[in-house]
Amino acid sequence: AQKITQTQPGMFVQEKEAVTLDCTYDTSDPSYGLFWYKQPSSGEMIFLIYQGSYDQQNATEGRYSLNFQKARKSANLVISASQLGDSAMYFCAMREAGLRIQGAQKLVFGQGTRLTINP
Amino acid sequence: DTEVTQTPKHLVMGMTNKKSLKCEQHMGHRAMYWYKQKAKKPPELMFVYSYEKLSINESVPSRFSPECPNSSLLNLHLHALQPEDSALYLCASSLEGQQNTEAFFGQGTRLTVV
Repeated sequence: AQKITQTQPGMFVQEKEAVTLDCTYDTSDPSYGLFWYKQPSSGEMIFLIYQGSYDQQNATEGRYSLNFQKARKSANLVISASQLGDSAMYFCAMREAGLRIQGAQKLVFGQGTRLTINP
Repeated sequence: DTEVTQTPKHLVMGMTNKKSLKCEQHMGHRAMYWYKQKAKKPPELMFVYSYEKLSINESVPSRFSPECPNSSLLNLHLHALQPEDSALYLCASSLEGQQNTEAFFGQGTRLTVV
C-alpha cells in the first residue's frame, strides 16, 4: 500500500503567484514526521520543511509553509510568491517512528510533483 | 559544515567492472543512507548504517556492497552491474535517534552501466 500520495505529476504557475503542492499519507503509527524536499535538475535533495505528528501549529520556513490537516492525513506544501528558481521536482516524504531500527529510520517518498514557474 | 559530499559525480562503467561510490559528511551524524533513484521516480532506500553498523538492507542484490569504514565515510562497492542499475545514487545522513531532524543529501552520483 502506498504510504505517500502526490496526485499532481506536474504544475505550471506564473511567477510571483502562490502555489500549493498536495500530499496525502497513510499510517497507523501515532508518531511520525512529514518532510518536503526540493530536487532541482542537479540532483541534490534539498530539505524545505518538517512537520511532526504531534506539532500543534503548521510549520513555516520563509516562503514555505505546510498546511497540515491531521484528520485528513494531508500535508500540503504552500510556496508563496513563487520565483523562477522554484522550478524543480518536489517530494513529500514520511518517517514513521515505528520503523526505527537501532536509531536509524526509513524515509518513504511520494512520486513527486514537477513544478514549473513561468516568467 | 552542513554538506554531504559524493564522488564521483558521474560514472560510466562496464558490466564487468568494479567501481566504488564514496560519500563523506562531517556533521557528526551517525546514521547514513544509500538511496537509488531512477529517472522520474522517487528515491528508494537501499541501505542504512547506524553507528557504522548495517541496520537496514532493503533486499538489495549482492552486486551492491556497502561499507562504512568510519563515522564520516560511506562507500558503495559495485561489481558486475547490469544496465538496469543505471540511476542516480544518493547518499544521505541524519542525526541518529532524532525523529524530527531532516536527512541531508549529497548531490548524487549519476551511474551509467554499459
